[in-house]
Amino acid sequence: GENVEQHPSTLSVQEGDSAVIKCTYSDSASNYFPWYKQELGKRPQLIIDIRSNVGEKKDQRIAVTLNKTAKHFSLHITETQPEDSAVYFCAARDWGGNNDMRFGAGTRLTVKP
Amino acid sequence: GAGVSQSPSNKVTEKGKDVELRCDPISGHTALYWYRQSLGQGLEFLIYFQGNSAPDKSGLPSDRFSAERTGGSVSTLTIQRTQQEDSAVYLCASSWTRGLADTQYFGPGTRLTVL
Repeated sequence: GENVEQHPSTLSVQEGDSAVIKCTYSDSASNYFPWYKQELGKRPQLIIDIRSNVGEKKDQRIAVTLNKTAKHFSLHITETQPEDSAVYFCAARDWGGNNDMRFGAGTRLTVKP
Repeated sequence: GAGVSQSPSNKVTEKGKDVELRCDPISGHTALYWYRQSLGQGLEFLIYFQGNSAPDKSGLPSDRFSAERTGGSVSTLTIQRTQQEDSAVYLCASSWTRGLADTQYFGPGTRLTVL
């Protein structure tokens, strides 16, 4: 089955700096990679996703890149703000096969004002 | 429209008791997932329902855990003979699976505490 590893487990940046979170996956059949943001005490919410036919996707200050050959994908947050502070989870799934969504362990991002 | 709802929001039980957790998915969503999130940890997949197909139970940690989905909508996760290590937040998610992006929408979770 799929195994997703996420790094770093904690990340602290200064407001305005960029933050990068990286994930690797094991199942080459995985073709869908969402990122979720979970604020303290709240439910995870999808912030961006990418499918395997695309190498990069952007949405304002957030971007995700995917390297299928190396089986890794990354979340990039630019011009970070204190409200970006949360735990971020990556996930991977083989859309056409086994329907499990496997999540990374999460990265706790702290943006210092 | 209404999102995914779960009940109860908090459940405190004694070791050895059975508990039932309920999930109401978004209307029309054919896929439903249960996850467990221990304190400060990531999301652990438990079980997945897709329409009328047999559920994917590969994530259930033991035979004390079971889940049902009645009428393709509401789901109940049952934990029998609860243990202290079962204490966690149990999250339900649903998605509209029709060959498009499988965006999962999460419920608020049920915080289970086993004393």
